Amino acid sequence: AQSVTQLGSHVSVSEGALVLLRCNYSSSVPPYLFWYVQYPNQGLQLLLKYTSAATLVKGINGFEAEFKKSETSFHLTKPSAHMSDAAEYFCAVSPRTSGSRLTFGEGTQLTVNP
Amino acid sequence: DVKVTQSSRYLVKRTGEKVFLECVQDMDHENMFWYRQDPGLGLRLIYFSYDVKMKEKGDIPEGYSVSREKKERFSLILESASTNQTSMYLCASRLTKGQYSVNEQFFGPGTRLTVL
Repeated sequence: AQSVTQLGSHVSVSEGALVLLRCNYSSSVPPYLFWYVQYPNQGLQLLLKYTSAATLVKGINGFEAEFKKSETSFHLTKPSAHMSDAAEYFCAVSPRTSGSRLTFGEGTQLTVNP
Repeated sequence: DVKVTQSSRYLVKRTGEKVFLECVQDMDHENMFWYRQDPGLGLRLIYFSYDVKMKEKGDIPEGYSVSREKKERFSLILESASTNQTSMYLCASRLTKGQYSVNEQFFGPGTRLTVL
């Protein structure tokens, strides 16, 4: 069974600082990987997805993530945090053999301090 | 834009009541999903539906049932609500283009259910 682990349930950064949210997956073969964001009182919105075309994936709002097979990681980064980035972020994994089901990580709450 | 709507944003019910949560999507998506979201646990899949009248259990189906009579609508039913079903419930839909599609899921705003 596939699983995903997000390291750090809470991350706090200063405005303008680098954002790094960590995600590691467990799978015998490279899966499909996703990052979603949830703003307060809203549903989840897709930030980006990895489907094997390129290991560095660019998403919306200046976020990007790099797939590293050797480290089984898919960390999310943004060079300069903005106050509007404060939200909860979820990493999710889907097996390639059946694309319908997603397994989500526990989530990381990002706080951006002025 | 894809729109997924849920019938209520906030709902308060009493223990033992039968509860219906409704989800509607407007983009003719085949797949629909129900998740519950709890702090520290992320999203857990309750049930999903590949298409009309088709359903499959997710990871935590106990205490829930679903109905999908029309393609655009997917209902989650709590047959006899209990306090441990107090949670945020999220509906999602997904377009399928072949068995190995990686199209993302689109989420509704969620229903925060409190069972007293």
